[in-house]
Order: sequence, then structure tokens, then C-alpha cells
Amino acid sequence: DAKTTQPPSMDCAEGRAANLPCNHSTISGNEYVYWYRQIHSQGPQYIIHGLKNNETNEMASLIITEDRKSSTLILPHATLRDTAVYYCIVPLYNQGGKLIFGQGTELSVKP
Amino acid sequence: AAGVIQSPRHLIKEKRETATLKCYPIPRHDTVYWYQQGPGQDPQFLISFYEKMQSDKGSIPDRFSAQQFSDYHSELNMSSLELGDSALYFCASSLGTATFYEQYFGPGTRLTVT
Repeated sequence: DAKTTQPPSMDCAEGRAANLPCNHSTISGNEYVYWYRQIHSQGPQYIIHGLKNNETNEMASLIITEDRKSSTLILPHATLRDTAVYYCIVPLYNQGGKLIFGQGTELSVKP
Repeated sequence: AAGVIQSPRHLIKEKRETATLKCYPIPRHDTVYWYQQGPGQDPQFLISFYEKMQSDKGSIPDRFSAQQFSDYHSELNMSSLELGDSALYFCASSLGTATFYEQYFGPGTRLTVT
């Protein structure tokens, strides 16, 4: 996978927006940026993915820079239930779709 | 909406025993991935199947084997269990192996080897 770099931990106040950054400077033009999260010992949960354009769904927004070398996951109104490890993953193109989980960001949402 | 089903949810085995983990993908999903997560570690890819054929293989021990059946469910067979095999095992399914298909994970099977 294209190597991704995320901060190891972040805090966010409940009700505020959580902005999680990810660097993927070696990403290729046809590789997608994916975000998953894992709440303690549960199965990883798909959040959102994108190629070039910004994306939004009911869970979050994904902002990808024009040069595609970095992205930001935005949780617009964080709740305590959003406390989890967030993984930014760029699966290699045409490599079967497997996900390589690296060090994610441990987000703590505090009251 | 239907999710990925894994069974059993918890399994306790002794060293040198065998274990079989089952995964039932979301309906119409033809691709299954297996991941292993040791204590305090990130999930690691083991093996995947597309249309009942092995599509990719990661760091899966030779003691482990897996297959995907005609109804697309998959089984991970683990023999000669070792203490180090104690982990969470996740199965994920998707519509295909192309990287624009997201994966949906099951709740996992917690295997404890004593």
C-alpha cells in the first residue's frame, strides 16, 4: 500500500468537529484513499473512501488535497461513541484489494 | 441491512488442537478477506478469495488453510494450534477485488489457545 502517516493520537471535545489528517505522498493516480475505524476489539468499520474529489456520507466527510498527497477525515459533530482508532489506508492498485493496516490515530472524544 | 456473520464468536482450544472459523459474507458479495489481530496489534491480512478461488495470500502460516464455498461462505482451518495463534480473527466481504470496493467486516472470532 502507499505508505500513510497519521498522528498517533488526538483529542476532541464532544459536539465539536474532529479533523483527522493523513499523509500519503507516494499515492498513485488510480489509488483510492480509504478510512476505517475500529472501536475497541470490534470489527473495523468502513467510513468513507475517495479518489480525487471530496466525498461526504452520513458518517463523515473526506477532503483530499489537489495533489492527492494528503487527506483529512472530518467527523462533523463528534460523540463519545466516535472514540476509536482511525486508519487511513491506500490499497495498492490491482493487488487484490487487501487492506494493510498501519499505525492509525487513536481519537478520544471527551465530554 | 445484512452484515458479515462470523462463527463462533469465541473459541478456546488447547495447543496442538485444530480450529475452524466460519464467515458468511453479505449477500451478493463474492469476495472474502481474512485478517488476524494479535493483542495490542493492528489487523494483518491473511488470505482472500474471489469467486471461490484464492486471490491473494499474506503472512498466513502453513498450518492454516482456507477455502470459499459455492455459497460464498468461507472457512479458515487452523491446525497444530500454538499459543501465539491467540488473536481476533476478522472476516470481511466486498463486491469484488477492485480497490474501489469497500470491505465490510464481521464482529470477529476471538480464539484463545491454552
